[in-house]
Amino acid sequence: AQKVTQAQTEISVVEKEDVTLDCVYETRDTTYYLFWYKQPPSGELVFLIRRNSFDEQNEISGRYSWNFQKSTSSFNFTITASQVVDSAVYFCALSEGPLSGSWGKFQFGAGTQVVVTP
Amino acid sequence: EAGVAQSPRYKIIEKRQSVAFWCNPISGHATLYWYQQILGQGPKLLIQFQNNGVVDDSQLPKDRFSAERLKGVDSTLKIQPAKLEDSAVYLCASSMGPGGGGSYNEQFFGPGTRLTVL
Repeated sequence: AQKVTQAQTEISVVEKEDVTLDCVYETRDTTYYLFWYKQPPSGELVFLIRRNSFDEQNEISGRYSWNFQKSTSSFNFTITASQVVDSAVYFCALSEGPLSGSWGKFQFGAGTQVVVTP
Repeated sequence: EAGVAQSPRYKIIEKRQSVAFWCNPISGHATLYWYQQILGQGPKLLIQFQNNGVVDDSQLPKDRFSAERLKGVDSTLKIQPAKLEDSAVYLCASSMGPGGGGSYNEQFFGPGTRLTVL
């Protein structure tokens, strides 16, 4: 069964500080996909980044970067030089591969509230 | 490209009343999902459609919840009768589905309907 754990309930930072969000997942599938979504106060979930289980290369996309480590089943997400507009709830999600019986079915973590103050 | 549309955005009803939510997915997306998001939690999948067929409704409380996607495009989710614990945000999402969009099959979310049951 899939499981996603986001242990941090809330993180508060001052603008321009970096923020790292932790995500630990469980799956028995060898092919799976990991995502980060942002949910601002408006409520809509906005797709941010994705990674598949065969690609552990960590990348940077603008102010976003991620650290994917299969050995520890972690998919951490960092916002560099945070801004007030980054204030939102961030969700980590796991989807198993096309050969599984639940492809396309997302398992979300409980979310981490990020508060960025000026 | 238009995103996922949902209506209404907000709904307040009394317990034991009925309510219906509407969703229009992104054009061409074969897969449609309904999620329930209780305050402070991640979204929980209620039902997944592939075109107009149900793929997964294992977490749908079928004694009171129903959903349909008759022509494989728009979808409605109904609660009858509502209970206090149904107060939540109901999110609709869509994805291209198997054969399209690649292996990631990422989901795109609508703004949600916030339901309050008094």
